Amino acid sequence: DGGITQSPKYLFRKEGQNVTLSCEQNLNHDAMYWYRQDPGQGLRLIYYSQIVNDFQKGDIAEGYSVSREKKESFPLTVTSAQKNPTAFYLCASSTKRTGIRGGQPQHFGDGTRLSIL
Amino acid sequence: DAKTTQPTSMDCAEGRAANLPCNHSTISGNEYVYWYRQIHSQGPQYIIHGLKNNETNEMASLIITEDRKSSTLILPHATLRDTAVYYCIVSLYGAQKLVFGQGTRLTINP
Repeated sequence: DGGITQSPKYLFRKEGQNVTLSCEQNLNHDAMYWYRQDPGQGLRLIYYSQIVNDFQKGDIAEGYSVSREKKESFPLTVTSAQKNPTAFYLCASSTKRTGIRGGQPQHFGDGTRLSIL
Repeated sequence: DAKTTQPTSMDCAEGRAANLPCNHSTISGNEYVYWYRQIHSQGPQYIIHGLKNNETNEMASLIITEDRKSSTLILPHATLRDTAVYYCIVSLYGAQKLVFGQGTRLTINP
């Protein structure tokens, strides 16, 4: 089945350590996104990429980095510069095809929950 | 992107229609209304979207007022599995950013 796969489901990080969250999609979508969700809050955009080898910062990019070397993959690295990394991280993708009704929706993975040891 | 206002929480009896309102009084002409829901500890699930006409799919119906300043998501026959947080989002056509507020926590009661 087509979809978005995030791994791992749970991740623990020690202080001062970088960790990388995986996001893979087989939907042939052009655009991919990373969001962060804190308890009881909505989602906030970290980074997004509309095409391979290109990406843009979202609202809360500080302390994070991404790469987009392949269309199907958009890994997120949480660096030691991110002072409060404990959160639920969600990856999404969408097509750029316009279609009759336009406004193609984003489709989400099931997230990675990151905690600090 | 336009800001949306939703009730914090709602209850609905199983088998009844759940009507979730959303106000978006500052919506502009080329902004779409999207609805997503998030079941606990899962990623958001797309439900439906529309521009100005009412829309229906296998999950729900979306009613947008003529002035487009508000909309209602209708789950016609709610089940316990519809218990979730429902997000109403207004976004430009093809926009790359969806702004998620705190949504409405819908509880379906047996």
